[in-house]
Amino acid sequence: AQSVTQLGSHVSVSEGALVLLRCNYSSSVPPYLFWYVQYPNQGLQLLLKYTSAATLVKGINGFEAEFKKSETSFHLTKPSAHMRDAAEYFCAVSDLNNNDMRFGAGTRLTVKP
Amino acid sequence: NAGVTQTPKFQVLKTGQSMTLQCAQDMNHNSMYWYRQDPGMGLRLIYYSASEGTTDKGEVPNGYNVSRLNKREFSLRLESAAPSQTSVYFCASSVSGTGGSPLHFGNGTRLTVT
Repeated sequence: AQSVTQLGSHVSVSEGALVLLRCNYSSSVPPYLFWYVQYPNQGLQLLLKYTSAATLVKGINGFEAEFKKSETSFHLTKPSAHMRDAAEYFCAVSDLNNNDMRFGAGTRLTVKP
Repeated sequence: NAGVTQTPKFQVLKTGQSMTLQCAQDMNHNSMYWYRQDPGMGLRLIYYSASEGTTDKGEVPNGYNVSRLNKREFSLRLESAAPSQTSVYFCASSVSGTGGSPLHFGNGTRLTVT
């Protein structure tokens, strides 16, 4: 089965600094990859998804992610962090005709003023 | 737009008690899912329903049962609750099977089993 590994359970950045959240995937077939964000006491919301159309994917709130097959990575970035970006972020993978989306353990992002 | 609605929001059970978590979606989605979220473990799939009338086990189905009541509703039942089932439960839906189709989540049910 496919899986994802998120490197770093906690990441702390200063407001205005670059955000980099790391995700590596394992899949025997071309994967579909997702980033979700979870704010306190809420469900997960889709940030962006990769479905093989383009390797650089732009999402909501200024986030983007790049699919790198050679590195089996799908890292999430944002050039300039804002206080409202503080949340938990989950990377997820699925494949075609598979109803089992697998999630990483999550990375909690803290933004310092 | 309500999206995915879960009830109740919070629940405390004693070991051995039973309960049903309710989920309804108003987006005309075909597929529905139940996940549990535990600290440091991300979300794990309990059961899913690819379409009305079908249900299948996910990664951690033991101790749970589900019912796809109709296209809108998908319930999760704990027949005899155990402390290991203390968790936050999320219902989700998608247009179809998850290949490329993102999940839409409810706000969760926080369950404590004492």
